[in-house]
Amino acid sequence: GNSVTQMEGPVTLSEEAFLTINCTYTATGYPSLFWYVQYPGEGLQLLLKATKADDKGSNKGFEATYRKETTSFHLEKGSVQVSDSAVYFCALSDLYGNNRLAFGKGNQVVVIP
Amino acid sequence: GAVVSQHPSRVICKSGTSVKIECRSLDFQATTMFWYRQFPKQSLMLMATSNEGSKATYEQGVEKDKFLINHASLTLSTLTVTSAHPEDSSFYICSARDGQNYGYTFGSGTRLTVV
Repeated sequence: GNSVTQMEGPVTLSEEAFLTINCTYTATGYPSLFWYVQYPGEGLQLLLKATKADDKGSNKGFEATYRKETTSFHLEKGSVQVSDSAVYFCALSDLYGNNRLAFGKGNQVVVIP
Repeated sequence: GAVVSQHPSRVICKSGTSVKIECRSLDFQATTMFWYRQFPKQSLMLMATSNEGSKATYEQGVEKDKFLINHASLTLSTLTVTSAHPEDSSFYICSARDGQNYGYTFGSGTRLTVV
């Protein structure tokens, strides 16, 4: 079945540092890939998405490229801000399958001033 | 953009009572809605998938008689936690799938506390 794996543990870094959160996936078919962000006490907001191989999703300075050869969708941001502190979830959906989203475990990102 | 309104955002109820959570798609028709449960510092656990006008499909281990889901229209789904117990305390999040654009939009979540 479909599954998403995110790197273990929270990520703590200083303001203006480079952020990378790894995400790899296992899927049948041709999944779409997503990154969602969750701020404390809130639901999930779509950060970016990519629907086919080699697509790059980008939003608010964040980027992720759909790499079919490595089954990865790593999230990157060149210079983080304190306001980027949140939990980030990688997810995939197989729109031609059961339409459900499969989530990774999420990564808590803490940006220190 | 697509907006999903979830209500209430917080609710406290006594053990044994029932609580209803509403999820509305405000500017699109949601062909499919999903209900998730999230424990502290954990990922989202899919509870059930509902399509408008049909019975919900529950994930393994989720009690359908305890978590009643109704999806009577293309813009509204409800989750009713029946005979609530303290172990039902959790953060519940709904998501709606736009049948036109195939995007997933999430509600802001409901913090349920059963005392």
